[in-house]
Amino acid sequence: EIVLTQSPGTLSLSPGERVTLSCRASQTVGSSYLAWYQQKPGQAPRLLIYGASSRATGIPDRFSGSGSGTDFTLTISRLEPEDFALYYCQQYGSSPWTFGQGTKVEIK
Amino acid sequence: EVQLVESGGGLVKPGGSLRLTCAASGFTFNNAWMSWVRQAPGKGLEWVGRIKSKADGGTTDYAAPVKGRFTISRDDSKNTLFLQMNSLKTEDTAVYYCTRIIKGGAFDIWGLGTMVTVSS
Repeated sequence: EIVLTQSPGTLSLSPGERVTLSCRASQTVGSSYLAWYQQKPGQAPRLLIYGASSRATGIPDRFSGSGSGTDFTLTISRLEPEDFALYYCQQYGSSPWTFGQGTKVEIK
Repeated sequence: EVQLVESGGGLVKPGGSLRLTCAASGFTFNNAWMSWVRQAPGKGLEWVGRIKSKADGGTTDYAAPVKGRFTISRDDSKNTLFLQMNSLKTEDTAVYYCTRIIKGGAFDIWGLGTMVTVSS
């Protein structure tokens, strides 16, 4: 099973700042099958990025993904008030599909 | 409108069974791979299992904690996905989300979820 470790656990930032979230895999994620999700309290997650770097439909271009192998990154170029949320990475390169434990982006 | 609506959650005793249903609309369900993802209270996301489209073989795959106890099935004539949960344990307590799979394994559409509580 591929274990995904996200860091940091919590980020305290201000609107307008740039943020970089990390997702490290215990083994190579095949075909860069890595996705990122945003979840707000009481809501279902929302797909942001798939295939490590492809934005999902309707996702603003301030969200970008990069990486390959075992190291992946989600970048938000300028934080908007609605971006304060929990972020999860997920690999689907090998079964069982697994999620990271999440990174919380909170308002400073 | 593309939509997934789960139902069937509730309170069940350990060892009991429950069947969740997910009604899909707004997309071609029979072509879609589908999955269940759960989230225990205050915890992260956990993949439960998936079913391919019948055109791709209709096969299923499950996470280790539920293998042999949970079964995913589909009725394409009714645009409906099912999760049959047997031998339930307290650690199965979670919100269960129905999701559509794209690009091999990313979840692009999520339902609102249905809460399953396993407690005596």
